Amino acid sequence: ETGVTQTPRHLVMGMTNKKSLKCEQHLGHNAMYWYKQSAKKPLELMFVYNFKEQTENNSVPSRFSPECPNSSHLFLHLHTLQPEDSALYLCASSPQRAGPVYNEQFFGPGTRLTVL
Amino acid sequence: KQEVTQIPAALSVPEGENLVLNCSFTDSAIYNLQWFRQDPGKGLTSLLLIQSSQREQTSGRLNASLDKSSGRSTLYIAASQPGDSATYLCAVTLTSGSRLTFGEGTQLTVNP
Repeated sequence: ETGVTQTPRHLVMGMTNKKSLKCEQHLGHNAMYWYKQSAKKPLELMFVYNFKEQTENNSVPSRFSPECPNSSHLFLHLHTLQPEDSALYLCASSPQRAGPVYNEQFFGPGTRLTVL
Repeated sequence: KQEVTQIPAALSVPEGENLVLNCSFTDSAIYNLQWFRQDPGKGLTSLLLIQSSQREQTSGRLNASLDKSSGRSTLYIAASQPGDSATYLCAVTLTSGSRLTFGEGTQLTVNP
């Protein structure tokens, strides 16, 4: 256990559905991240939150909407997804000081998303 | 743009063998480099973190080295075991504060 939990672990949704992925960290970290891992491709950073403020959006389509209500929780709201969005979505956290440099990241187990 | 390459893409070895996984990166201005392990369908587990000022880090049977000037890191696994079977990922962070950039990973299979 890394101290980062994600729910649900598996999700199947239709293209017209709206769903949310949840991430929670119990490590006292201040930075949280969403990554997408597709088959045969390197992990892609999607969003970064540092002290609850979004600091990076890696050109992610608007059908993915992140929310960070506090430094322990991170959500990814999904709507009108496409089949190519099927992937493993990983959340991570890190102990972050003010400033842009990222420290060691701890990952959750991921949510396996299938879009039909 | 930082690019990270891992060689080989896949490796199969008999139990007990010592092995080396390779990682190369194009921009040597790195802040740190991390090696991760990922089991099928699971998240990532951090194995070793090497700061830019360090040359190597060791944890149990694992040893990671870093040569910034040549843009290379190696992960050495001693006396491999079937439980070491997983995908190993390397990732770097630049000093400019950019994101972690991952390689595509090396899929390791250790046969009993």
